[in-house]
Amino acid sequence: DAGVIQSPRHEVTEMGQEVTLRCKPISGHNSLFWYRQTMMRGLELLIYFNNNVPIDDSGMPEDRFSAKMPNASFSTLKIQPSEPRDSAVYFCASRFSGGQETQYFGPGTRLLVL
Amino acid sequence: GQQVMQIPQYQHVQEGEDFTTYCNSSTTLSNIQWYKQRPGGHPVFLIQLVKSGEVKKQKRLTFQFGEAKKNSSLHITATQTTDVGTYFCAGQTGANNLFFGTGTRLTVIP
Repeated sequence: DAGVIQSPRHEVTEMGQEVTLRCKPISGHNSLFWYRQTMMRGLELLIYFNNNVPIDDSGMPEDRFSAKMPNASFSTLKIQPSEPRDSAVYFCASRFSGGQETQYFGPGTRLLVL
Repeated sequence: GQQVMQIPQYQHVQEGEDFTTYCNSSTTLSNIQWYKQRPGGHPVFLIQLVKSGEVKKQKRLTFQFGEAKKNSSLHITATQTTDVGTYFCAGQTGANNLFFGTGTRLTVIP
């Protein structure tokens, strides 16, 4: 199994630009999570989906952030417009609900907004 | 709301010394999981504890779940440089998603 796949692995952009992060969960997993990690705030849950449906988006910082899961094998996290304070590592994780509930994390996208 | 706190935030140990990190939840948990994140890496699942008072071991790592299912600990015996990283606990209540702790960053001095 390839594990959770995220792209791009690194992104450098200028303030005001749109940023799209992509995630392919592990095949067969029915829950998907987006996290943000910074030194100051640690690991924060942004949003999670169950069976492609957003369940809890209370962690999404503001309207500049949006997430979609059009099908079971693909999700995007979009930031528009981006700001320097959005600089962080963004992780996608997936799990099979009903099993051990273990979350499998992708390698992350390191985002730097200048 | 749900909160999971970990102490200490940082720990520096000499190689061969023991290390312990503690995790406390504001609410009773259905289970608790532990993850390790190497520098520059991503969190990787280590173990899950479900039963009150449960103790599990993985080689030099010992995991405990409190009797009240509100706290947990991870103890590493005789640390090695390969143990370097940040250790996170993550608590779950019912069918809800995991609430990750603040993490303990372990540095092992050779």
